Amino acid sequence: SQTIHQWPATLVQPVGSPLSLECTVEGTSNPNLYWYRQAAGRGLQLLFYSVGIGQISSEVPQNLSASRPQDRQFILSSKKLLLSDSGFYLCAWSPTENYGYTFGSGTRLTVV
Amino acid sequence: GENVEQHPSTLSVQEGDSAVIKCTYSDSASNYFPWYKQELGKRPQLIIDIRSNVGEKKDQRIAVTLNKTAKHFSLHITETQPEDSAVYFCAARDTGRRALTFGSGTRLQVQP
Repeated sequence: SQTIHQWPATLVQPVGSPLSLECTVEGTSNPNLYWYRQAAGRGLQLLFYSVGIGQISSEVPQNLSASRPQDRQFILSSKKLLLSDSGFYLCAWSPTENYGYTFGSGTRLTVV
Repeated sequence: GENVEQHPSTLSVQEGDSAVIKCTYSDSASNYFPWYKQELGKRPQLIIDIRSNVGEKKDQRIAVTLNKTAKHFSLHITETQPEDSAVYFCAARDTGRRALTFGSGTRLQVQP
């Protein structure tokens, strides 16, 4: 069966520090991968999605980036965090774009 | 891109009553509509989905209906129980971005 791992679970970072969140999927190949952000009490905002290695589509501001160095690995990064980057970051995968997502357990990021 | 609107934002019902959450979408080419349940501090989990070639789908106490002409779909929960209390999100596949666009969520509170 397929599983998705996301870490760390919680993170407190100072403004201006770098960020690296990692997500891996097991038990499938060539998954579609997604990063979403959820502000407190709000909906889900699409940040990035990827349909293959090295293929990244971006929906967000310039201080965040994503990479897919391996088929089942998706990384969210920032060189300098802003206060507004605080939120609940969710990685997700689906076998194709016409199927529902399975979400990772999420990373709660607080920028101080 | 796709725009999904969800109503109501909060819903309180008595245990045993029915609950209905409604969503509208803008992309007439959208063909996949999942619903997610998110408990406090947890990841969203897929509870039911429907494709555009079907008008209704049911899974025990949960059902979803789709009206393609009017571009709206609804989640129906019958015989609500306290454990149904959560935030529910609708979503629609954005054919332009190859990702899901989510509604803003409905906080359902089932009073025992």
